[in-house]
Amino acid sequence: DIQMTQSPSTLSASVGDRVTITCRASQSISSWLAWYQQKPGKAPKLLIYRASSLESGVPSRFSGSGSGTEFTLTISSLQPDDFATYYCQQYNSYPGTFGQGTKVEIK
Amino acid sequence: EVQLVESGGGLVQPGGSLRLSCSASGFTLNADPMHWVRQGPGKGLEYVSAISRNGGTTYYADSVKGRFTISRDISKNTLYLQMSSLRDEDTAVYYCVKEGPHGSGSFGYYDYWGQGTLVTVSS
Repeated sequence: DIQMTQSPSTLSASVGDRVTITCRASQSISSWLAWYQQKPGKAPKLLIYRASSLESGVPSRFSGSGSGTEFTLTISSLQPDDFATYYCQQYNSYPGTFGQGTKVEIK
Repeated sequence: EVQLVESGGGLVQPGGSLRLSCSASGFTLNADPMHWVRQGPGKGLEYVSAISRNGGTTYYADSVKGRFTISRDISKNTLYLQMSSLRDEDTAVYYCVKEGPHGSGSFGYYDYWGQGTLVTVSS
């Protein structure tokens, strides 16, 4: 199975900060990568698919980039609603695997 | 509006069985592949099982192969996960998820999630 590694595991930031989360794959996954946001007690929510395509209804402050083995999720200006845990998922090959998550906390 | 509503979770003893249901609305289950994904307490997300668009092919994570069975009833627009020989490590919130339309052809991402149902395996 392809291993997905996110960094950092925890990130402390303030409202208005630019935030970047990195996801690395153990082998090339082309652009077959999705990002999800999860709040406590809630189901994950799709933010980005195919590395950089913004899901309908997701604010434009979220963006994704990368290909091959290295990917980033950027929040251009962190908002109070963005404090949550973020997961990447590769879907290049079976089975799709997730990163371990990055928790974005209030500084 | 697409909605997925899971039910059937609960407390079960090791070695026991449980059937999860996922009632879908706003789309038909034969429109897209459907999956089950789980999340152990305080842990990350783990793929469990999938069923193809036409229902003819099913897939299972190695950790549940031979113990879990995914199925669906198109007339009820409901997805199921029959779980047997349950183990402590199966304790998790189980999510019913719909594959998005732009998958790789080998696997997919998830554009809609249910609220989840908690399965606790404990004596």
